[in-house]
Amino acid sequence: AQTVTQSQPEMSVQEAETVTLSCTYDTSESDYYLFWYKQPPSRQMILVIRQEAYKQQNATENRFSVNFQKAAKSFSLKISDSQLGDAAMYFCAYRSAGDMRFGAGTRLTVKP
Amino acid sequence: DTEVTQTPKHLVMGMTNKKSLKCEQHMGHRAMYWYKQKAKKPPELMFVYSYEKLSINESVPSRFSPECPNSSLLNLHLHALQPEDSALYLCASSQGIQTQINYGYTFGSGTRLTVV
Repeated sequence: AQTVTQSQPEMSVQEAETVTLSCTYDTSESDYYLFWYKQPPSRQMILVIRQEAYKQQNATENRFSVNFQKAAKSFSLKISDSQLGDAAMYFCAYRSAGDMRFGAGTRLTVKP
Repeated sequence: DTEVTQTPKHLVMGMTNKKSLKCEQHMGHRAMYWYKQKAKKPPELMFVYSYEKLSINESVPSRFSPECPNSSLLNLHLHALQPEDSALYLCASSQGIQTQINYGYTFGSGTRLTVV
């Protein structure tokens, strides 16, 4: 069974600094996709970034980028130039041909 | 329209009440999902509908009854709930269960349910 692990329940970053959130997963599939979702206090799960497992190039979306290490089954999220609006719960998620599996989440606090 | 709309946003109900949660999307997605989320926890899958047919029921108690009347609408009927059922209920949709999985899910903003 596929599992997703986020080992950091809470993280804190100073505004304008960089922070990295960790995620590891376990799977025997070769074709899958990985996602980072953000859930602010407004509750809606918002897709931040996605990565195709067959692509070696790391995905980037503006200030958000990933470090995808397929052999190590690691998928970390780097947030550059952190902003107060980045404060939220961040969930790492895995999906193959089926439903999506979520990690336990990391609560990110941004200090002004 | 690129949204999943959930109503109501908040709901307080007694243990003997019957209520329904509603979820709507007009993106042409053929898979729709109900998730339950407790505070500071990840979403837990409850039900999956594919092409308006129930595809997955994750051993959810019968006091939760899903319904998919058409490809745009998903309901969750609630009856005789317990206080421990208080949670955020999230609806999501995707192109399909096994197609275009690279797009992930689109989530609604949820219904905050309190059972008293």
